[in-house]
Amino acid sequence: EAGVAQSPRYKIIEKRQSVAFWCNPISGHATLYWYQQILGQGPKLLIQFQNNGVVDDSQLPKDRFSAERLKGVDSTLKIQPAKLEDSAVYLCASSLDHGLAGVYEQFFGPGTRLTVL
Amino acid sequence: GNSVTQMEGPVTLSEEAFLTINCTYTATGYPSLFWYVQYPGEGLQLLLKATKADDKGSNKGFEATYRKETTSFHLEKGSVQVSDSAVYFCALSEDNAGNMLTFGGGTRLMVKP
Repeated sequence: EAGVAQSPRYKIIEKRQSVAFWCNPISGHATLYWYQQILGQGPKLLIQFQNNGVVDDSQLPKDRFSAERLKGVDSTLKIQPAKLEDSAVYLCASSLDHGLAGVYEQFFGPGTRLTVL
Repeated sequence: GNSVTQMEGPVTLSEEAFLTINCTYTATGYPSLFWYVQYPGEGLQLLLKATKADDKGSNKGFEATYRKETTSFHLEKGSVQVSDSAVYFCALSEDNAGNMLTFGGGTRLMVKP
């Protein structure tokens, strides 16, 4: 079974530029998550989708970050304009479902390492 | 709000030594608790979980017991191997489905032969 795919793996931009990250979840996984992991810290949830609807985006800096999941499969996370403090690894994860009984494991992609100069 | 606190690393051990990585949490309800592991060059993987008080999660020789009275979920292994070298993250989820994870800062484990 293929895992969660992310691209690009690395990105270097200058502050005030725009950048976009792409995620392809595991086939059949309804729930998709984006996390931000700053060096030396644990991942912080930015946004959670259930199919193509947003479940939680309370920690997404909406003045500069946006995310979409058209057709309930692939997702794109965008930063516009980028700031120095956005330098981090952006992780995408997916799980089978949300809201049903039982605890569903989140499967993580390899991440995109963003450096803002 | 919810929070997870882990012991700072790196933790350096010799092969076959006993491992404990401390994790304590703050949550308003009754969370599910998790340990995730990140091996060098790989993505985060679920190591083990526990969904209610006194549950013990176990996998690959690692164990952790959900202690509600001390709000802790310490990770233990009786005999570590070089291949256990990785970063370990403790996490909690307040809902019943493992969503909206709150992670600790991670603890790097280095095992020397």
